[in-house]
Amino acid sequence: AQSVTQLGSHVSVSEGALVLLRCNYSSSVPPYLFWYVQYPNQGLQLLLKYTTGATLVKGINGFEAEFKKSETSFHLTKPSAHMSDAAEYFCAVSPRADYGNNRLAFGKGNQVVVIP
Amino acid sequence: NAGVMQNPRHLVRRRGQEARLRCSPMKGHSHVYWYRQLPEEGLKFMVYLQKENIIDESGMPKERFSAEFPKEGPSILRIQQVVRGDSAAYFCASSPDGENQETQYFGPGTRLLVL
Repeated sequence: AQSVTQLGSHVSVSEGALVLLRCNYSSSVPPYLFWYVQYPNQGLQLLLKYTTGATLVKGINGFEAEFKKSETSFHLTKPSAHMSDAAEYFCAVSPRADYGNNRLAFGKGNQVVVIP
Repeated sequence: NAGVMQNPRHLVRRRGQEARLRCSPMKGHSHVYWYRQLPEEGLKFMVYLQKENIIDESGMPKERFSAEFPKEGPSILRIQQVVRGDSAAYFCASSPDGENQETQYFGPGTRLLVL
């Protein structure tokens, strides 16, 4: 079974500072990797994903993440936090399923607070 | 192309009543997933369906919960005889066939409150 670890349920960052959210996964085979963002009372919006190829992936809103197989990690970063980045962020994995079942396993999420 | 639609957005039920949650996937998407978000527990997979077929229901509670995705119309998640512990946000996601099948697009969710 696949699992995802996100440490630190609440993360505070100053406006303009680096945002770093850590994600480690457990899987016998490197899975597909995702970061989603959730604003209050809304659904999940895809920030970025890694499936194959270049291990540094760029997403929306200035976010990027790097897949490191040796560390089983997929940490999310943004060089400069903006007030609008305040939200909950979820790392997720799904199996590389040829038969189509790409069910997601989520981490517990990081609630990001941006301090002016 | 409209996104994933879910209705109702909010649903209040009394214990013992039935709850029906509807999900219309994005146009052209034939894969539907349901997830539940409970306070302090995060998002958990419930069921995966393709048109007219339940493919994986390993995340569904054994009793009272059922799901369908008919040939015509939305996918339905049905909860019979609701209890307070069913109060949660229920999210539907859809994905396309072929390329990008692994990418799921989420609806806004239905927030169920059981009194």
